[in-house]
Amino acid sequence: EAGVTQSPTHLIKTRGQQATLRCSPISGHTSVYWYQQALGLGLQFLLWYDEGEERNRGNFPPRFSGRQFPNYSSELNVNALELEDSALYLCASGSTGFPTYNEQFFGPGTRLTVL
Amino acid sequence: AQSVAQPEDQVNVAEGNPLTVKCTYSVSGNPYLFWYVQYPNRGLQFLLKYITGDNLVKGSYGFEAEFNKSQTSFHLKKPSALVSDSALYFCAVRDVPDKLIFGTGTRLQVFP
Repeated sequence: EAGVTQSPTHLIKTRGQQATLRCSPISGHTSVYWYQQALGLGLQFLLWYDEGEERNRGNFPPRFSGRQFPNYSSELNVNALELEDSALYLCASGSTGFPTYNEQFFGPGTRLTVL
Repeated sequence: AQSVAQPEDQVNVAEGNPLTVKCTYSVSGNPYLFWYVQYPNRGLQFLLKYITGDNLVKGSYGFEAEFNKSQTSFHLKKPSALVSDSALYFCAVRDVPDKLIFGTGTRLQVFP
C-alpha cells in the first residue's frame, strides 16, 4: 500500500512569491492534514480537509490556504511568502475507519526555503 | 486546551540499555495520545497510540508506552536501545476537531 506522497521535495522561492505544495493521501483516506515544522517552533497544525471541505484551521494568517480535490488529494498555497515561512511542510492523511481512526499517517514533507 | 510537554530536549543512552523518553499531558476529558518518530530529512512515522484500555501500549520497532492517569504521563520506553533508534521523538495529543498537538520533541542519541 502506497503511503502519503508529497511534491515537490524541495521548493525555493523568493519573498513575495507564491508557493504551491501538493499531497496525495493513502488510498481510502478522506482526510488530509497540513502541518508546519519550522526551526525553533516545532510542529504546528495548519489545516484539515475532509471530504473536500476545510474543517479546521490553525493559527496562521489567511495567506496560507488550500483545497482538497474530489480524489482527496490536496494543495497548500502560501501567498506573499515571507522569510519565516521557510520550513518543512508535512501532510498527513487519516481515516474514520477502524482500527486506524484517530491515527494520522505522514508524508516525507516538502522543504520550502524562502530567500 | 490540550497540550503535551516533553521535558527533555535530548536523551542519551548506551546501546543495549533501556531507554525512556518522557511526556506529560494536560487535557480536558479522555486523552488520545500518540508517539511519532522522525528520522533526518524524513516525515513522521507512527509508533503507537493510547485511546483506551490497557495502560501499557505496545507499538512498532519494540517500543511501548505507559499511560499513567494519576501522573498525567505517557512515557515512551524500550527495553534495549539500538543505535538505529537515534532520532527525534514527538509526543502528541488529539485535539478537537481532529488535529494533533505536538510536544517540542526529544532527540534520542544511542551510543554504541
